[in-house]
Amino acid sequence: KAGVTQTPRYLIKTRGQQVTLSCSPISGHRSVSWYQQTPGQGLQFLFEYFSETQRNKGNFPGRFSGRQFSNSRSEMNVSTLELGDSALYLCASSWSDVGPEQYFGPGTRLTVT
Amino acid sequence: GENVEQHPSTLSVQEGDSAVIKCTYSDSASNYFPWYKQELGKRPQLIIDIRSNVGEKKDQRIAVTLNKTAKHFSLHITETQPEDSAVYFCAARTESSGDKLTFGTGTRLAVRP
Repeated sequence: KAGVTQTPRYLIKTRGQQVTLSCSPISGHRSVSWYQQTPGQGLQFLFEYFSETQRNKGNFPGRFSGRQFSNSRSEMNVSTLELGDSALYLCASSWSDVGPEQYFGPGTRLTVT
Repeated sequence: GENVEQHPSTLSVQEGDSAVIKCTYSDSASNYFPWYKQELGKRPQLIIDIRSNVGEKKDQRIAVTLNKTAKHFSLHITETQPEDSAVYFCAARTESSGDKLTFGTGTRLAVRP
């Protein structure tokens, strides 16, 4: 069974621009969570989607948003990029209602200049 | 919300020795505690987990123990090998928060050959 995939793997953007990241979960998984990983803040929860509904949201500004499609694929969007948004963005998928185990994708490395 | 503290931040052991990483959590409603291993440049990999109705779980050289009364859980790695060198993260999940994981700050484990 294929693992969690994320595209693109690397991105370089300029301050003020916006970016969209994509995550395809493991087949059959209905929950997708997004995390931001930085050396200073570690792994921080952004939001979680389950059956196309945002079920939980972390403490990030409204510039960070996401959505989930009927096939469980998820996207997250960051508008008006700031230098501090430079990070590794990881998504993780799980069965959720069947089991809590979350499996991570390889991440998207975003650099804001 | 949930807060997870992890110690130590760095750990260096001789090959063949044991390594122990400890985490404490704040929310008594947390019921699921996974451990992830992240090698340099790789995604976090789920290595073992434990649910709140279990006190200990083993998988070959790794084990996790949970003390619900004290709200702490620990990862034990026996007979360490150089390939165990990585950053290890503990996490906690509260059922009422969907699949949101709150992570500890990570432990960098170095196994000296």
